[in-house]
Amino acid sequence: QKEVEQDPGPLSVPEGAIVSLNCTYSNSAFQYFMWYRQYSRKGPELLMYTYSSGNKEDGRFTAQVDKSSKYISLFIRDSQPSDSATYLCAMTFTDKLIFGTGTRLQVFP
Amino acid sequence: DTEVTQTPKHLVMGMTNKKSLKCEQHMGHRAMYWYKQKAKKPPELMFVYSYEKLSINESVPSRFSPECPNSSLLNLHLHALQPEDSALYLCASSQDRPGSAGNTIYFGEGSWLTVV
Repeated sequence: QKEVEQDPGPLSVPEGAIVSLNCTYSNSAFQYFMWYRQYSRKGPELLMYTYSSGNKEDGRFTAQVDKSSKYISLFIRDSQPSDSATYLCAMTFTDKLIFGTGTRLQVFP
Repeated sequence: DTEVTQTPKHLVMGMTNKKSLKCEQHMGHRAMYWYKQKAKKPPELMFVYSYEKLSINESVPSRFSPECPNSSLLNLHLHALQPEDSALYLCASSQDRPGSAGNTIYFGEGSWLTVV
């Protein structure tokens, strides 16, 4: 079993839709959780950083962490074609940052 | 825009060449990283420098040699690479080590390496 599981997609939604991206993890030692967005042929861009169970909102993005279920989510409201990218969850404990495999999202007009 | 700058953006090298990838950050971060990313895969950690000292080497072959001349610069020296080493090489930095509270890791745009 991988430490971090993420549905690879691709996920295709119409513009304006609410998108839900999810990751599960197996190691309860993970403490800090991040979501990165990666456009094609670019480096990952940090979107959200959370460390406690609950929700954190930033504009159209909401990150949710449920440590009891070992489950994290990223919600994108009013999705735009410019949101089309690969979304990577990532989490840390000790000195390592562990990535999920990434979910490809396509938002069509 | 990312504040981690990588050069060159693209590099093509032969298997007998010696080349270097360079990374620079001016955010005062004390940890710097090299990651390797293959197509449709997540980034894989190669090396971590913490306070200019190599703290993690993820069993990377010796044909990859990292160097941290100072707290703002990170190099990756390449020698006798194989075609399967072709990938996007990402540099990243953070204020402190990954497991530290409140620490976030910022990536550069990457250097595309093709080994022929």
